[in-house]
Amino acid sequence: GAVVSQHPSWVICKSGTSVKIECRSLDFQATTMFWYRQFPKQSLMLMATSNEGSKATYEQGVEKDKFLINHASLTLSTLTVTSAHPEDSSFYICSASDSATNYGYTFGSGTRLTVV
Amino acid sequence: QKEVEQDPGPLSVPEGAIVSLNCTYSNSAFQYFMWYRQYSRKGPELLMYTYSSGNKEDGRFTAQVDKSSKYISLFIRDSQPSDSATYLCAMRRSPFQGAQKLVFGQGTRLTINP
Repeated sequence: GAVVSQHPSWVICKSGTSVKIECRSLDFQATTMFWYRQFPKQSLMLMATSNEGSKATYEQGVEKDKFLINHASLTLSTLTVTSAHPEDSSFYICSASDSATNYGYTFGSGTRLTVV
Repeated sequence: QKEVEQDPGPLSVPEGAIVSLNCTYSNSAFQYFMWYRQYSRKGPELLMYTYSSGNKEDGRFTAQVDKSSKYISLFIRDSQPSDSATYLCAMRRSPFQGAQKLVFGQGTRLTINP
């Protein structure tokens, strides 16, 4: 089945630094990837839709300059949290759509970011 | 009003019980329906997907869709402690129009007690 690899699974960084999270589709091509943020005991909040070779589409209220998304290939999308602050601490999850079927969306295992 | 409504629970049942999880939605454009299971600190795992009204069965899981009532359900038979997780319903518009974002319910926290 489709597998999405997300790294790192857990990261701690100092306030003011930047952190990059990678999302890879291992056995399929993903024209579109999605980035979510999840707070404890809450559902997933879509941050942006990442399309290979073009600019990401951000949801209302999400700062595009703070959450930089790059989707340079059909198997890799990255989310960079720039100048991180403690309020950016959260669980970030990516998902990918198999370009061949567009049926099921596969999720990565998530990245727990803690900014101190 | 949210596009997708799901009772957040928590829901606690004894092992072996039949569990019923439900979502309602307001947007008739939704055509494709999914149920995900999420364990603590993990990404969601796709359990079931369907795009037609009626029932779809997979092992102990049955997904039910009633488009006329805009109501979907997930039934878990012979529930096991390992089924303890958060269950999220999700839906989207036609899958034949390219990749489109999912709209999630709030998630129901389920605990199966041994």
